[in-house]
Amino acid sequence: QSALTQPRSVSGSLGQSVTIACSGATMSVGGYNYVSWYQQYPGEAPKLLIYDVTKRPSGVPDRFSGSKSGNTASLAISGLQHDDEADYYCSSYAGKSWVFGGGTKVTVL
Amino acid sequence: QIQLVQSGAEVKKPGASVKVSCKTSGYSFVTYDTSWVRQAPGQGPEWLGWINANNGNTRYAQRFQGRLTLTADTSTTTTFMELRGLTSDDTSIYYCARLGPFYGMDAWGQGTTVIVSS
Repeated sequence: QSALTQPRSVSGSLGQSVTIACSGATMSVGGYNYVSWYQQYPGEAPKLLIYDVTKRPSGVPDRFSGSKSGNTASLAISGLQHDDEADYYCSSYAGKSWVFGGGTKVTVL
Repeated sequence: QIQLVQSGAEVKKPGASVKVSCKTSGYSFVTYDTSWVRQAPGQGPEWLGWINANNGNTRYAQRFQGRLTLTADTSTTTTFMELRGLTSDDTSIYYCARLGPFYGMDAWGQGTTVIVSS
């Protein structure tokens, strides 16, 4: 059982938007503005998409955006493309440790 | 470019130990901490611990205290993860990852599969 809770799957049509929620606790998501999101394709290592709740590393399209309210963080993907079909994981700093979510599979219809 | 290259797959018997290496290049090894994360088949990642290569300081997830050791060799810019007392529950892909100048893991190794089976 993962420390952060995500929906197992979400789906959306090509060009539409989806949002993935990540629920934690005050000791993790709620207590720090250090939520990150990762994208993972089968057989590959995770790739950083979002850090510090809202920031994107260089090279990540602005179709990906992060936000947080209380103990819940969210990743929004707009203008869905076929190569957005992947697993997405949230993670949060939790005071000298890190916790991850169980992952959300995004399907593009 | 930033690279983290891990050692190859391992198959171990229950009760054995495994040591995985993570050779880094393309950045200042002592400036960035290294985290270790594992991912069991079909599961989310699980954080194991981190190491500061500059001073050797480490922090381990509580459930691995006592059977996990992270070390760093600054001469070869390599970190090592040793896990002892293996059980079938330790069967996973093990990743090293660079902790960026922020609270996120911005570069990852390719992963090392560890299978524990009698």
